[in-house]
Amino acid sequence: ETGVTQTPRHLVMGMTNKKSLKCEQHLGHNAMYWYKQSAKKPLELMFVYNFKEQTENNSVPSRFSPECPNSSHLFLHLHTLQPEDSALYLCASSHMDGGDYGYTFGSGTRLTVV
Amino acid sequence: AQSVTQLDSQVPVFEEAPVELRCNYSSSVSVYLFWYVQYPNQGLQLLLKYLSGSTLVKGINGFEAEFNKSQTSFHLRKPSVHISDTAEYFCAVSRNSGYALNFGKGTSLLVTP
Repeated sequence: ETGVTQTPRHLVMGMTNKKSLKCEQHLGHNAMYWYKQSAKKPLELMFVYNFKEQTENNSVPSRFSPECPNSSHLFLHLHTLQPEDSALYLCASSHMDGGDYGYTFGSGTRLTVV
Repeated sequence: AQSVTQLDSQVPVFEEAPVELRCNYSSSVSVYLFWYVQYPNQGLQLLLKYLSGSTLVKGINGFEAEFNKSQTSFHLRKPSVHISDTAEYFCAVSRNSGYALNFGKGTSLLVTP
């Protein structure tokens, strides 16, 4: 258990489905992040939230919709995805402006779009 | 913006041999540097980090890294590797906490008997 919990661990969805990924942390962090890890590509930052406010959207297609209802929870809503969206989606959290400067990652959700 | 280059995509090494995984960074401001390890089908685990102070940083599992500002490098080293060190290693840079980490492409370390 890393302190950042992601559910589900695995998800298979069709291109017309709507699903959501969940991330939860109880480390007292106030910044949360979504990363995408595709095969043979570097980790790509998708979204950044500081104190529940989105501070960065790294040109992510609108079929990915993040939600951060509070500092402990982060969601990634998925709809009408494409096969190339299949990847490992990683959530991370950290302190903002101080703290131990540690970024803690979850174990990820392995998404397969069919 | 900050960026990281990992010069080797794969590093094969024999068990009990020393290893160095190279990382160079680019930034116009002071940065924080990190090394993460990823085992198959798992998330990223922090090995060590450099924030300030001593340029030699010791981490978990016997790994260490040295921050070299003049060469803009942060190479990861271990004097004697084990089979269990086989994994993907990522170097990352951040401007400050609360800013996202920018990752290198990763180095695959393969330790064989």
